[in-house]
Amino acid sequence: AQKITQTQPGMFVQEKEAVTLDCTYDTSDPSYGLFWYKQPSSGEMIFLIYQGSYDQQNATEGRYSLNFQKARKSANLVISASQLGDSAMYFCAIQGNNNDMRFGAGTRLTVKP
Amino acid sequence: DVKVTQSSRYLVKRTGEKVFLECVQDMDHENMFWYRQDPGLGLRLIYFSYDVKMKEKGDIPEGYSVSREKKERFSLILESASTNQTSMYLCASKGEGGGSYNEQFFGPGTRLTVL
Repeated sequence: AQKITQTQPGMFVQEKEAVTLDCTYDTSDPSYGLFWYKQPSSGEMIFLIYQGSYDQQNATEGRYSLNFQKARKSANLVISASQLGDSAMYFCAIQGNNNDMRFGAGTRLTVKP
Repeated sequence: DVKVTQSSRYLVKRTGEKVFLECVQDMDHENMFWYRQDPGLGLRLIYFSYDVKMKEKGDIPEGYSVSREKKERFSLILESASTNQTSMYLCASKGEGGGSYNEQFFGPGTRLTVL
């Protein structure tokens, strides 16, 4: 069984500053993938970034980076230079060998001007 | 571009009705998924399918069934809708492959209200 925990229901950040969204996970699969999705108020789920459990380097995609600490079972999302358009729900997810994915409860990020 | 479509954005049904939620993807993906999303609970997996006519239970299958007769279409069925099934329902699909190609592509969601 796989589980994702996101302990921050809501976060605030000032525009142009960096913010870290926390994610911890639990799995018994030796190989797995970690994902972050963004869900704006319009409701669509937007894939942001992926980290494989055997990847040696932390994933980066533009202003998004994933701080992957395997021993601590954490996969925090770092957003640099926050923009107003970053205000949204953010979900962390884990996918194991079965192709099924488990999501956390989400963090609502609000970027203040 | 992968496209996942869902038959309705908004749906209102009465308690006890049989409800069909349809999902179609156009990328020949093997895997398809149904989730429900509720505030504070995130997305919870109801059922998924890794091939035509194959299905696997997720974490909350009670009160739901699914059908996958064609590769591109995955239907979620509420046999007898109840008020506690009022929720946002999201469909997703995923191809086979490793790395970042493992991402799931989501449809726009169906907001179902059961009165």
